[in-house]
Amino acid sequence: QKEVEQDPGPLSVPEGAIVSLNCTYSNSAFQYFMWYRQYSRKGPELLMYTYSSGNKEDGRFTAQVDKSSKYISLFIRDSQPSDSATYLCAMRTGFQKLVFGTGTRLLVSP
Amino acid sequence: DGGITQSPKYLFRKEGQNVTLSCEQNLNHDAMYWYRQDPGQGLRLIYYSQIVNDFQKGDIAEGYSVSREKKESFPLTVTSAQKNPTAFYLCASSPWGGERFDEQFFGPGTRLTVL
Repeated sequence: QKEVEQDPGPLSVPEGAIVSLNCTYSNSAFQYFMWYRQYSRKGPELLMYTYSSGNKEDGRFTAQVDKSSKYISLFIRDSQPSDSATYLCAMRTGFQKLVFGTGTRLLVSP
Repeated sequence: DGGITQSPKYLFRKEGQNVTLSCEQNLNHDAMYWYRQDPGQGLRLIYYSQIVNDFQKGDIAEGYSVSREKKESFPLTVTSAQKNPTAFYLCASSPWGGERFDEQFFGPGTRLTVL
């Protein structure tokens, strides 16, 4: 079993839809959680960073962490075609290395 | 502009050859990383370095080597011992220490193909 599980997709939605992207994990010691966005043939860029449980909002993006369920989510409101990309979750314990999910490919159609 | 550069963007190698991928950053970050990305596998850590002249193996270091002679540079050599080197290689850097030390910034990647 992988430490971090993520549905590879693709997830196809129409423009304006609310998108929900999710990751589950098995290591209860993970404390820091990140979401990266990766456009095709490019390097990932950090979107959201959260510590421990709770919600964090930044514009159209909301990151949610539920440590009791070992589940994290990224919500995108009013999705745009420019949001079409692969979204990678990543997490770590203390000072250990990051563990990445495999990524979910999102397609937003006009 | 601050950032990370990787070169070349595309690289073709014959079997049995060693190749070196370049990674340079001007973000003044202490830590640098090399990842490999394959379809369906996500990012896997090859090597990382916290300070100059020091580096540690990641999860899949076999067949790779690195050096860290300068803070700005962290080249990766893919040796002939790497059995399946065709992949997309990503370099990243981050501050070391502080609350957000692992906020990693990625370069644009190098796509290596073995012919």
